[in-house]
Amino acid sequence: EAQVTQNPRYLITVTGKKLTVTCSQNMNHEYMSWYRQDPGLGLRQIYYSMNVEVTDKGDVPEGYKVSRKEKRNFPLILESPSPNQTSLYFCASSLWKRTSGDHNEQFFGPGTRLTVL
Amino acid sequence: DQQVKQNSPSLSVQEGRISILNCDYTNSMFDYFLWYKKYPAEGPTFLISISSIKDKNEDGRFTVFLNKSAKHLSLHIVPSQPGDSAVYFCAASGELYGQNFVFGPGTRLSVLP
Repeated sequence: EAQVTQNPRYLITVTGKKLTVTCSQNMNHEYMSWYRQDPGLGLRQIYYSMNVEVTDKGDVPEGYKVSRKEKRNFPLILESPSPNQTSLYFCASSLWKRTSGDHNEQFFGPGTRLTVL
Repeated sequence: DQQVKQNSPSLSVQEGRISILNCDYTNSMFDYFLWYKKYPAEGPTFLISISSIKDKNEDGRFTVFLNKSAKHLSLHIVPSQPGDSAVYFCAASGELYGQNFVFGPGTRLSVLP
């Protein structure tokens, strides 16, 4: 089954304790992205990756790191979590656009609800 | 400032009637739009899309209309069913954005039996 998986689904942690949220896709997609969802703000992009070893900042990258060492995995790292990073996080993947005007739908993981105390 | 706006946080509709969800955008560089549907405890799933070369796209009970001059699009669901109750996100992209999309804040639709 084609899917994007995230782990853990739920996490409660304390300020300053490093954590990693994993994301994996089995569709051989080049593009992967991390979003956070907050009430009234919708989905805001944190980081994205166009392919292995190619990553770039989204709209809200502060306090986050990512890596893309393999095509299928795109972990999100919080080196020193703070309470304002309490949110619902989604990983997504898609094919990279091939031609001008061609956009591909993104497939989303089930989400990770993070609480930082 | 939000580039993609969904000014109705919530909407309630009777089963069998039409649901109309609205989305406005400010960036004239956007030329491709999608709607995603999200159930609780699940990730968003793609619903329907429209390119700026069209003003309408239809898929079963779902139709998206695009008014480029007004920078406005709407999603029509006819007839609405209780299973349509979810949060709907509008998303926009353009040539300069590559594969990145800008999402609106979402509208929660409740279809009442």
